[in-house]
Amino acid sequence: DTEVTQTPKHLVMGMTNKKSLKCEQHMGHRAMYWYKQKAKKPPELMFVYSYEKLSINESVPSRFSPECPNSSLLNLHLHALQPEDSALYLCASSQAGTQYFGPGTRLLVL
Amino acid sequence: GNSVTQMEGPVTLSEEAFLTINCTYTATGYPSLFWYVQYPGEGLQLLLKATKADDKGSNKGFEATYRKETTSFHLEKGSVQVSDSAVYFCALSQIETSGSRLTFGEGTQLTVNP
Repeated sequence: DTEVTQTPKHLVMGMTNKKSLKCEQHMGHRAMYWYKQKAKKPPELMFVYSYEKLSINESVPSRFSPECPNSSLLNLHLHALQPEDSALYLCASSQAGTQYFGPGTRLLVL
Repeated sequence: GNSVTQMEGPVTLSEEAFLTINCTYTATGYPSLFWYVQYPGEGLQLLLKATKADDKGSNKGFEATYRKETTSFHLEKGSVQVSDSAVYFCALSQIETSGSRLTFGEGTQLTVNP
């Protein structure tokens, strides 16, 4: 089983809202990732968690706040987003250098 | 730094045509190489991978061979179907202490017409 799940599938939020994206994997992978993907572009790395600790933050604005409550779960908390943050947000987990992606959350910021 | 260059799209083919999508890379050391596929409205799916020189990855009729001498990992399929219409991303990965870091190509949009 190489499944990564993400909820919600779609999200519409205003610039003053607070929302969270959720990612889950039960493959025992110890590294998990958040990516942002704009239309017709490859995914851009945002954050990496390794053994439940934040190991990489690619200079992401503080309105995005990641959290790793345990080895299976990864959250992305969103607050005061801008319209340009509208994108597909992808979660991934990895084992031995191979990353497996979830289906993504399509976010629209109004 | 690492980089991946894919042939520019979009690519339009008729059903049962032969597909090649070129991918070349620049990297230090010995990266692993991947092809991911993204169908409309979905996330990325791992299509195939190769972890060392001369390895051939294959899946669903697609193949790619890790060529260190030409730093290439071209994707091929002998007979495409309408259902293969998607965006294909070539990527390389190097394992770091913090996890693995993927470097993607720009993606190639493939459309297969009946």
